[in-house]
Amino acid sequence: QITLKESGPTLVKPTQTLTLTCTFSGFSLSTSGVGVGWIRQPPGKALEWLALIYWNDDKRYSPSLKSRLTITKDTSKNQVVLTMTNMDPVDTATYYCAHMREGAVAFFDYWGQGTLVTVSS
Amino acid sequence: QSVLTQPPSASGTPGQRVTISCSGSSSNIGSNTVNWYQQLPGTAPKLLIYSNNQRPSGVPDRFSGSKSGTSASLAISGLQSEDEADYYCAAWDDSLNGFWVFGGGTKLTVL
Repeated sequence: QITLKESGPTLVKPTQTLTLTCTFSGFSLSTSGVGVGWIRQPPGKALEWLALIYWNDDKRYSPSLKSRLTITKDTSKNQVVLTMTNMDPVDTATYYCAHMREGAVAFFDYWGQGTLVTVSS
Repeated sequence: QSVLTQPPSASGTPGQRVTISCSGSSSNIGSNTVNWYQQLPGTAPKLLIYSNNQRPSGVPDRFSGSKSGTSASLAISGLQSEDEADYYCAAWDDSLNGFWVFGGGTKLTVL
């Protein structure tokens, strides 16, 4: 049974750096064909993909946010960490992490419950 | 502005069939498979359709997907009140270094 859970601050100030942790179980991020991604959703708005880390430590980032994002993994702890620098009120959103299965096709098949991050002074 | 284009809303009455479109480009839908997610109010998205037309275990066969060229569609037949939700399409985009793109979402209302 695959589960993921996001954790981190609920409130950050503008210009600060956000660090979110995704703790998962039921799979290993050292298994070929597995990845973990981060997706966010501002209140009342659409999903926006942020970053992805593969089992082999390959990483991909949203082109529009690449300069602000860093994704890392700790396979021994079953965790993936996302950092986003220079936070702004427009970054207020629910942040989700999700298990990705890749191969001939790829998709996010398991999602965490999400964590709401508010950016405000 | 989402890379994939969906109608903002759709509606139907119980028992009806509704379709939701998703338009992209040659670098995303034209080159890769499309996935659909259902998001019930206040919950995380749930994988509904993967690889254009495949249903994960547990998804009713009332839900179906298709793809043609740079567009995809989600069809829901025998509409039920519990289908009222937001629906998102997604695909991998091969441009730049590769990245995921989502549609802007379609809010389905069951009248």
